[in-house]
Amino acid sequence: DIQMTQSPSLLSASVGDRVTINCKASQNINKYLNWYQQKLGEAPKLLIYNTNNLQTGIPSRFSGSGSGTDYTLTISSLQPEDFGTYFCFQHNSWPLTFGSGTKLEIK
Amino acid sequence: QVQLQQSGAELVKPGTSVKLSCKASGYTFTSNHMNWIKQTTGQGLEWIGIINPGSGGTSYNVKFKGKATLTVDKSSSTAFMQLSSLTPEDSAVYYCARINQRYFDYWGQGVMVTVSS
Repeated sequence: DIQMTQSPSLLSASVGDRVTINCKASQNINKYLNWYQQKLGEAPKLLIYNTNNLQTGIPSRFSGSGSGTDYTLTISSLQPEDFGTYFCFQHNSWPLTFGSGTKLEIK
Repeated sequence: QVQLQQSGAELVKPGTSVKLSCKASGYTFTSNHMNWIKQTTGQGLEWIGIINPGSGGTSYNVKFKGKATLTVDKSSSTAFMQLSSLTPEDSAVYYCARINQRYFDYWGQGVMVTVSS
């Protein structure tokens, strides 16, 4: 199985900050990397698919980059509604696997 | 609009089985494969398996083979997951999620399963 290692596991930042979350795969996943945001009691919501494609309706302050085994989610200017837990997810190889999550707190 | 409506919370006894449902609306049910995902505080998100609603073909995470069985009813646009021989380790929130190319674009609201005597 491909292991997805996310960092940091906990992130505290202020409104307006630039925030980055990292995800490292245990092997090349050919850019088949998605990012989800989850708020308490809700289902995950797709933000970015295939490394750098913004899902419809997602604000442009969210962006993704990476290749091979290393991927990054960036929030260019953090907004109060961006709190929650962020997960990366690989869809290159079976079984599909998720990262362990990054909890983003707003200072 | 696309919606995936899951059945309600379940409290079940160890050793029994439970069948969860996920009713799709707002799109052609057979056009997208359906996935099931388990979420716990300890293990995070785990992909259980995928079913092709058109053919009924399935693929499972080895970890869940023998535990989960995925089926569909095309006439009602509903996907099902049966979990068998339940133990407390099966207590979790379970989601259905539609796959679009290589990403889950729509999710059900989740259903909490609690296994307890």
